[in-house]
Amino acid sequence: DGGITQSPKYLFRKEGQNVTLSCEQNLNHDAMYWYRQDPGQGLRLIYYSQIVNDFQKGDIAEGYSVSREKKESFPLTVTSAQKNPTAFYLCASSIMAGGENEQFFGPGTRLTVL
Amino acid sequence: AQKITQTQPGMFVQEKEAVTLDCTYDTSDPSYGLFWYKQPSSGEMIFLIYQGSYDQQNATEGRYSLNFQKARKSANLVISASQLGDSAMYFCAMREVSGGGADGLTFGKGTHLIIQP
Repeated sequence: DGGITQSPKYLFRKEGQNVTLSCEQNLNHDAMYWYRQDPGQGLRLIYYSQIVNDFQKGDIAEGYSVSREKKESFPLTVTSAQKNPTAFYLCASSIMAGGENEQFFGPGTRLTVL
Repeated sequence: AQKITQTQPGMFVQEKEAVTLDCTYDTSDPSYGLFWYKQPSSGEMIFLIYQGSYDQQNATEGRYSLNFQKARKSANLVISASQLGDSAMYFCAMREVSGGGADGLTFGKGTHLIIQP
């Protein structure tokens, strides 16, 4: 079945450690996105990639980094510079960037920093 | 200023009644798209319906319809004949096409809909 997978579903880390969240899609989509959701809030855009080997900062990129070496994969690293990393992280993809193209979302990773 | 405003933090509705979830938006971009997503307690985001700024007719998808009033910058979601499984968070989102900004969706804070038997 085609879709987006994110792993792990739950992640616990100590303060000061970097952590990488996985996002893989087999939909052959060009564009991929990372969002952060805090309790009682909507989603906010962290980074996005419109094509392989290219990515752009979203609204809240500070303390995060990404790579897009393969079309199917868009991992997100939460660095120690991120002041408040505990949140629900959602990865999405769309067939191409922009326009009316809907974004398909993965199941999310819930990160807790202790 | 918020680009997407959802004024109903929570709603209780009787099963089988119709539901209207409010969404207003703010943009100066003449070309934009409006999306509604459903988020059950499991956390996944489920796409429901899309409306383009140049679409002449209101979008419909099964029990979902979008009441698009461009002059009022309003894009309300209507769910007909609500079901217990409709209980979830609902998010309105917008993408500005020609603004030159980030290519992502801007989300509202959501409405928590609870369907009562």
